[in-house]
Amino acid sequence: EIVLTQSPGTLSLSPGERATLSCRASQSVSSSYLAWYQQKPGQAPRLLIYGASRRATGIPDRVSGSGSGTDFTLTISRLEPEDFAVYYCQQYGSSPITFGQGTRLEIK
Amino acid sequence: QVQLVESGGGVVQPGRSLRLSCAASGFTFSTYGMHWVRQAPGKGLEWVAVIWYDGSNKFYADSVKGRFTISRDNSKNTLYLQMNSLRAEDTAVYYCFTSLTAGTPLWGQGTLVTVSS
Repeated sequence: EIVLTQSPGTLSLSPGERATLSCRASQSVSSSYLAWYQQKPGQAPRLLIYGASRRATGIPDRVSGSGSGTDFTLTISRLEPEDFAVYYCQQYGSSPITFGQGTRLEIK
Repeated sequence: QVQLVESGGGVVQPGRSLRLSCAASGFTFSTYGMHWVRQAPGKGLEWVAVIWYDGSNKFYADSVKGRFTISRDNSKNTLYLQMNSLRAEDTAVYYCFTSLTAGTPLWGQGTLVTVSS
């Protein structure tokens, strides 16, 4: 099983700042099957990035994903108020599919 | 429209059973493996089970093995999760999930299962 470790656990930033979230895998992940999600209370996860760097439909270009192998990064270049939420990474190229434990992005 | 729609959630007593459904539309359901994923209140996402595109193989998380059964009916474009011997710790929102062409993830909106006396 591939274990995904997200860091930091909580990130405190102000609107307008840059957010950098990390997802590290215990073994190599196919970049084609690495996704990032945003989740707000009471809502289903919202797909942001898939294939490590492909933006999902409707996601603004200030949100970007990068990385390969065991190290992946989600970057939000200029935080808007609606960006404050919990973020999860997921690998779905190897069974079982696995998720990181989440990074909470909170307003400083 | 490409989508997954779960149903069948509700409140159930410990030890009882419940069956969830996930209706697929807008894509060729019979060619994709399907998963169930759950999220307990205030917790992260947990994989539950997977079934291959033709139903020939099924795998389960240790936490549900022997109690839950995943199945599919490709003629009805529907995925199922039969949940027996339910426990309080099975309380969660249950999502169906698949990965389409070019690795595009697809999720349903989820259905809430509450196990409580």
